[in-house]
Amino acid sequence: QVVLTQSPTASASLGASVKLTCTLSSGHSTYSIAWHKHQPGKGPRYLMKLDSDGSHINGDGIPDRFSGSSSGAERYLTISRLQSDDEADYYCQTWGTGTWIFGGGTKLTVL
Amino acid sequence: QVQLVESGGRVVQPGGSLRLSCAASGFIFNHYGMHWVRQVPGKGLEWLTFIRYDGTKSYYIDSVRGRFTISRDDSKNTVYLEMKSLRREDTAVYFCARGPCSGGTCFSGYWGLGTLVTVSS
Repeated sequence: QVVLTQSPTASASLGASVKLTCTLSSGHSTYSIAWHKHQPGKGPRYLMKLDSDGSHINGDGIPDRFSGSSSGAERYLTISRLQSDDEADYYCQTWGTGTWIFGGGTKLTVL
Repeated sequence: QVQLVESGGRVVQPGGSLRLSCAASGFIFNHYGMHWVRQVPGKGLEWLTFIRYDGTKSYYIDSVRGRFTISRDDSKNTVYLEMKSLRREDTAVYFCARGPCSGGTCFSGYWGLGTLVTVSS
């Protein structure tokens, strides 16, 4: 069973960039993932699907300030030109047979 | 535009039952499988169950298998989550979600706003 590992917290300054990391467990480095954003009291929002070669497709209405990249078993979400509304929990997610597997999430604080 | 609207959440006693609904619009419903995901207060997102686009197969996380049942009514563009033998630890916000891919073509995923289920006496 694939496991996704995320750092629990991250922080960056308004207007800066931040790179969040999701690590796939051993033997699963070719897996595609998706990134989701979740703010308290709101429904989650799908950000993108990210493949092992770094190609990604941003979701409906997601600006290109959000981009993805990959290196080995690592999957990254980079948010550029940080805004206060980017403060949220960010989850990576991958696919099993008919299932979704989520990472533990990273709480991003915008300073 | 795509919308997913959950309903049916309420306070229910331990051991009780509940049916959640998720009404979908803005896309060809019978082209997509549908998921239910929950968030227990203070915890992360937890995937629960998935039903294929054609309704022929469903999948469950171990903790709800045998207690929860996912189903769909394509004539109503609605997916359901029937929950039985509810436990206090099932207290959570329940979200329905649609993945980004259909028939090998991928664009965007979507989520609903969620509905709160509280299991309490």
